Amino acid sequence: QVQLVQSGAEVKKPGASVKVSCKASGYTFTSYYMHWVRQAPGQGLEWMGIINPSGGSTSYAQKFQGRVTMTRDTSTSTVYMELSSLRSEDTAVYYCAREWNESLDYWGQGTLVTVSS
Amino acid sequence: QSALTQPASVSGSPGQSITISCTGTSSDVGGYNYVSWYQQHPGKAPKLMIYDVSNRPSGVSNRFSGSKSGNTASLTISGLQAEDEADYYCSSYTSSSTLSFGGGTKLTVL
Repeated sequence: QVQLVQSGAEVKKPGASVKVSCKASGYTFTSYYMHWVRQAPGQGLEWMGIINPSGGSTSYAQKFQGRVTMTRDTSTSTVYMELSSLRSEDTAVYYCAREWNESLDYWGQGTLVTVSS
Repeated sequence: QSALTQPASVSGSPGQSITISCTGTSSDVGGYNYVSWYQQHPGKAPKLMIYDVSNRPSGVSNRFSGSKSGNTASLTISGLQAEDEADYYCSSYTSSSTLSFGGGTKLTVL
């Protein structure tokens, strides 16, 4: 069965960086694009970007250009999302989600990132 | 401000039907048949309910249906049940090769 298992909660200070991992299993890792979506407390879903696990190409939402980096490790079927220059507004639950038919069919359990001094 | 516009809340009684709208532009909802709908219960990850405007993934109840007219997509839930109470989000592929989400709609089952 398809599973996306994300790394645990993080607490970071403003200006720091955070790297969240998402380990995929139950399917061919390189056959499906992976997206990252975040959700601030009490707010809606916000698309951050996409990575092609096969070649590693990425596309980021304009809002996060220059601050986000998505990478993958095909040897461990893991994708990563690193966000730098953190500020309090980046406090959110971060999700990885697999793309299927231009939709997101499987989601990770979410990783809470708290930015606080 | 979200790119796609949804009502903040809708409500209905058990057994009734409700419809949630999702309004975009010709650069997203109106330009592609790539509208999806997600259900999210508190503290849980979103769940895909509808893809490609009107298709249901395996395992999703046929009480959920989707449609689109022009720049507005809609999710209809018939025969409302208590477990349908959740937040619902629409999303669309865009002309910029990105995904846009709606602001979300809170469904209350009275």
